[in-house]
Amino acid sequence: NAGVTQTPKFQVLKTGQSMTLQCAQDMNHEYMSWYRQDPGMGLRLIHYSVGAGITDQGEVPNGYNVSRSTTEDFPLRLLSAAPSQTSVYFCASSDQGTGSRREQFFGPGTRLTVL
Amino acid sequence: GEDVEQSLFLSVREGDSSVINCTYTDSSSTYLYWYKQEPGAGLQLLTYIFSNMDMKQDQRLTVLLNKKDKHLSLRIADTQTGDSAIYFCAEKPSGGYNKLIFGAGTRLAVHP
Repeated sequence: NAGVTQTPKFQVLKTGQSMTLQCAQDMNHEYMSWYRQDPGMGLRLIHYSVGAGITDQGEVPNGYNVSRSTTEDFPLRLLSAAPSQTSVYFCASSDQGTGSRREQFFGPGTRLTVL
Repeated sequence: GEDVEQSLFLSVREGDSSVINCTYTDSSSTYLYWYKQEPGAGLQLLTYIFSNMDMKQDQRLTVLLNKKDKHLSLRIADTQTGDSAIYFCAEKPSGGYNKLIFGAGTRLAVHP
């Protein structure tokens, strides 16, 4: 299994550009999430999905869109990039489990810089 | 609201024990986690503890949970240079989606 994969690894955008960060998992996990990591702060939840066709907002959703058309893929779209969106973005997935610890598996991250 | 706090930096000598501390605010949290992040990589689950436990030991790792004070600690025995990383404390509040609340991370530096 590849686990959770993310592309691209690095990206530089100009203010106002749009782009999509890709995330895929091959573990048949129902839950998928997007986090951003900023210096001196923990990971903050942007959007999440509990299954194909179902998404919801996390803590910092503004400026981002998501969709979940398949179990495997959970892309994150930046509609009009702003310098405040410069960050490292992590995708994570987990299974539903049965009262289990529901370990989240993280991708390697995408480092985004908005000029 | 939900909040997780941890000190940002810890420096230890190789072979010594490291203790990383964390406080959280949500007393209903069901699981508490320690994740490790190595440079340029994603987060990897190191260990976890269920909220009805006081202690969990896993080889060189010992997790202590004080529910009364909402305090969690991670002890790494015989710390090695390969343990140098950022360690994140996270809590999972009860109910709902598998949402995690992360602390800012503690950077552990191990020197000879």
